[in-house]
Amino acid sequence: AQSVTQPDIHITVSEGASLELRCNYSYGATPYLFWYVQSPGQGLQLLLKYFSGDTLVQGIKGFEAEFKRSQSSFNLRKPSVHWSDAAEYFCAVTPRSSASKIIFGSGTRLSIRP
Amino acid sequence: GAGVSQSPRYKVAKRGQDVALRCDPISGHVSLFWYQQALGQGPEFLTYFQNEAQLDKSGLPSDRFFAERPEGSVSTLKIQRTQQEDSAVYLCASSFGGSNTGELFFGEGSRLTVL
Repeated sequence: AQSVTQPDIHITVSEGASLELRCNYSYGATPYLFWYVQSPGQGLQLLLKYFSGDTLVQGIKGFEAEFKRSQSSFNLRKPSVHWSDAAEYFCAVTPRSSASKIIFGSGTRLSIRP
Repeated sequence: GAGVSQSPRYKVAKRGQDVALRCDPISGHVSLFWYQQALGQGPEFLTYFQNEAQLDKSGLPSDRFFAERPEGSVSTLKIQRTQQEDSAVYLCASSFGGSNTGELFFGEGSRLTVL
């Protein structure tokens, strides 16, 4: 079955520290991959996406993600977090063959310690 | 408008009532998606439109849920005979192409509480 797993429900990091949020997917073939962020009272916003090519993709707000085919992973990273990064982060996938549904993971809530 | 607009933002319904949730996508966006997000969960796909055609409704949880987009722009998600398990945030998203061609733009959602 197609699925997206975010194993960390809640992560707390200190402001200025580095961040890595994990995402694993289970698909028959490499899907298109996304990370979205949901801040309180705001709609989901796309951070970055991987379609093909360079496996290290850069996104907005200083985020990056690395696609590792061998591990079926697409982890999100940021070298130094800011208090404004506190939010819910969702990994998402969609099959290359379909222009239909995007499947979201259950999310990781990020808290920032002052 | 500049973004995806959803109304109402908050809706409280008594069990058994019918509700209608509206989504006004970004002008010119071909694709429109509805998602259901329960508390503490990720969004779950409900249905997808390309213009006025409903191409995928595999995520609708029961025949009490119905969505339409008659003119290929505004969409309405209707829930008949609401149940407590329908309580969730209903998200609408639009995109210029399909989901695998680029970014989905989400509205802020309609929070439904069924008492």
